Amino acid sequence: GQNIDQPTEMTATEGAIVQINCTYQTSGFNGLFWYQQHAGEAPTFLSYNVLDGLEEKGRFSSFLSRSKGYSYLLLKELQMKDSASYLCAVTGTYKYIFGTGTRLKVLA
Amino acid sequence: DTAVSQTPKYLVTQMGNDKSIKCEQNLGHDTMYWYKQDSKKFLKIMFSYNNKELIINETVPNRFSPKSPDKAHLNLHINSLELGDSAVYFCASSQDLGIQRRNEQFFGPGTRLTVL
Repeated sequence: GQNIDQPTEMTATEGAIVQINCTYQTSGFNGLFWYQQHAGEAPTFLSYNVLDGLEEKGRFSSFLSRSKGYSYLLLKELQMKDSASYLCAVTGTYKYIFGTGTRLKVLA
Repeated sequence: DTAVSQTPKYLVTQMGNDKSIKCEQNLGHDTMYWYKQDSKKFLKIMFSYNNKELIINETVPNRFSPKSPDKAHLNLHINSLELGDSAVYFCASSQDLGIQRRNEQFFGPGTRLTVL
């Protein structure tokens, strides 16, 4: 079967660091994406991992362990504008499978 | 310039009606998708088209019929609307079906469908 799990909600303070985990079980894994979705808006691409390890991009980093079926998105120096849902998506044969998303609230 | 556009942005209609949502992308992409996002924010793929050909149909009721007149357009027609169809529908596109490299999807702004 195919399954992606993420925490439903997380809360963090402005300026802090937060890690959003994603675990997956899927056949034909080809890559893992993270998308950000602000309330009432469309998802937008954040990061992509195909090999094990950490990909860093400014304040955001994403990690992948294929053997463990595990990824995380790390957000540093949190800002109020980072309050959004973060969707983990795994690509299999010709399609994406999205997780249910993690709603992150950043508090002042 | 808008990369992926959808019309209308909001659609309120009665049960039993037939409605269409249009989607256009100006990115020159080969692959387009329709997703449904329900009240719990779960984003579920409905259809995928590549160069106007249907690739994926994810156990969607046959009341939903996608149509791709050319690779820049993927429209969604819904017959006999039901209460459970209320959701936000997102159109998206990607360069192609490439799955072994970064091939991110670009999403339209969404169409909020409310069935009364």
